[in-house]
Amino acid sequence: DIQMTQSPSTLSASAGDRVTITCRASQSISRWLAWYQQKPGKAPKLLIYKASSLEGGVPSRFSGSGSGTEFILTISSLQPDDFATYYCQQYDLYPYTFGQGTRLEIK
Amino acid sequence: QVQVVQSGTEVRKPGASVKVSCKASGYTFTSYYLQWVRQAPGQGLEWMGIINPSGGSTTYAQKFEGRVTMTSDTSTTTVYMELNSLTSEDTAVYYCARPQGLAAPGGGGLDVWGHGTTVIVSS
Repeated sequence: DIQMTQSPSTLSASAGDRVTITCRASQSISRWLAWYQQKPGKAPKLLIYKASSLEGGVPSRFSGSGSGTEFILTISSLQPDDFATYYCQQYDLYPYTFGQGTRLEIK
Repeated sequence: QVQVVQSGTEVRKPGASVKVSCKASGYTFTSYYLQWVRQAPGQGLEWMGIINPSGGSTTYAQKFEGRVTMTSDTSTTTVYMELNSLTSEDTAVYYCARPQGLAAPGGGGLDVWGHGTTVIVSS
């Protein structure tokens, strides 16, 4: 199985900050990577697909980059609504594994 | 609108089985694979498997092989996930999710999610 490792596990930041979350794959997955946002008690929401494509309706402050084994999710200027948990998922090879999550909390 | 609607909360005793349903609407049911993802309390997302509603072919995560069965019913546009030999470790919220349908492995990211079905395993 492809292992997906996110860092950091927890990130403390303030509104207006620029933050980055890293996701590393144990082997190359080309650009077959998605990022999700999840809030407590809710289903995940797709933010980014194919490593850098923004899902419709997602604010442009979210962006993704990377290919192969290293990927980054960037939020350019944190808004109060962005404090949540973020997951990456590879969909190159079965099983379509998720990272362990990054909890973004208010500093 | 495009949606997948899941069945309600289930409570089971250890050793029992549970069958969760996921009814799709608003799109051509047989054109999109559906995936199952679970989340134990306070934990991350865990991918369980995928089903092609057209024909019923499946791929399961090895962790669940032999214990999970995913099926589809095209007449009711519903997919099912049955998990056997339940233990307390199976207490979780179970989600079905539909990918974008892109020309990509698995159809892309998961853009349509059910609300989740809580399964509680307790004696």
